[in-house]
Parts: sequence; C-alpha cells; structure tokens
Amino acid sequence: ETGVTQTPRHLVMGMTNKKSLKCEQHLGHNAMYWYKQSAKKPLELMFVYSLEERVENNSVPSRFSPECPNSSHLFLHLHTLQPEDSALYLCASSQGARIEYNEQFFGPGTRLTVL
Amino acid sequence: AQSVTQLDSHVSVSEGTPVLLRCNYSSSYSPSLFWYVQHPNKGLQLLLKYTSAATLVKGINGFEAEFKKSETSFHLTKPSAHMSDAAEYFCVVKVNDMRFGAGTRLTVKP
Repeated sequence: ETGVTQTPRHLVMGMTNKKSLKCEQHLGHNAMYWYKQSAKKPLELMFVYSLEERVENNSVPSRFSPECPNSSHLFLHLHTLQPEDSALYLCASSQGARIEYNEQFFGPGTRLTVL
Repeated sequence: AQSVTQLDSHVSVSEGTPVLLRCNYSSSYSPSLFWYVQHPNKGLQLLLKYTSAATLVKGINGFEAEFKKSETSFHLTKPSAHMSDAAEYFCVVKVNDMRFGAGTRLTVKP
C-alpha cells in the first residue's frame, strides 16, 4: 500500500468502551498528526509527533491518548468517550514537522460514532 | 493569535465558469497560508501554499491564490470549473499553530 492508511474506516462505540484508531504511513515521513473533523466546525489539530516524540498537544481531553511506537505508525486510544466526540478523525504525515515547508499527506479518516 | 474566515459556506458554479472561494485571515505576524481540498470519503489534499515568497501562488489542478496583505485575504480562484472540482475546500492560516477555516463546499453544475 502507498500513502497514509487508517483503520478502521468506521467505528461505532459505546461510552464505556475502549477502542483504538490506527494510522500507518508508507511515505518514509518522520512527523505524524491527528486531526478531528466535526460537522460544521473547523478542522482541529489534536496531536503532533515528530521523530516519535509528541511535540504538540492542543488541549485535548485525556480520554484521547495518542501513541507513536515508530515513525510509520500512530495510534489514538479512546476510552470513556462522549457523544460529542463523534467525528471524522484524520491522520496525516509529513517529512518534518514544519507545516509551512513540509506538505502533509492525509489519510481517508475514521468515522467515529459514540452512542 | 490568528484566525481564518471563509466567507461562503457553499458556492455553486456551472462547469466552465470561473471559481472564486473567499478567505480572510487575521494575524499579528506574517502568516503562512494554505488551501486544502477534501473530496468525499477522502483525506485532505494540499492545493497550494503561501510562505512569504511570491504573492500569486499557483497550485495543482489549475487553482491559484493571491496573498493580499492590505486586504488580509487569500482567495482561491480557477478560470474554468470542472465537474471533478466539486469538493470541500479549506483555507488554513499558520503562525504558531494551524487554524482551519470552516470550509466551503463547491458544487459544479453541468
């Protein structure tokens, strides 16, 4: 596979469940990102990892827990979510974390529904 | 602090006619500006970016945008719309962090 892949593409979970979103990039990049896209709201940057270290965490609730075990994989662990967390979660990668110089490549997203 | 406003939530054009998607920004410092496109069930794709070089920026698929500091604008244009241009378009401003606009949905009528 090429580019940025995300699994699962769709996820329905209850508020007491624990689940994980997975992102994998096949581009040799060293920076990865999680974004949240809610209906009728601007896209929100959640986390940035550069060289497997978290370099940005934009006031995201602790019920979202990212993990970057290596430069090709990024996870978003979810627990005790709320219905308002239902959204499209997008993963992206780039070569370097300086967004103005390094183009981000996005995955297709995981559509999350919290019941 | 920086912010970005996309002035139209929905734009509809006929195939072959010009496209104008409007974006205004607010920033205390010189920003970097971007336009992204998102087709249904796809991730975002970078169309073009401005990073303090030429004020007229050419991107992919025939799109271009002009940075106008005096008007704090970065409008996206294309001379002739194609059916495949139908998508959601996002204007983005970055100083310290990235701020996305709410998006403009472009519809192209045959």
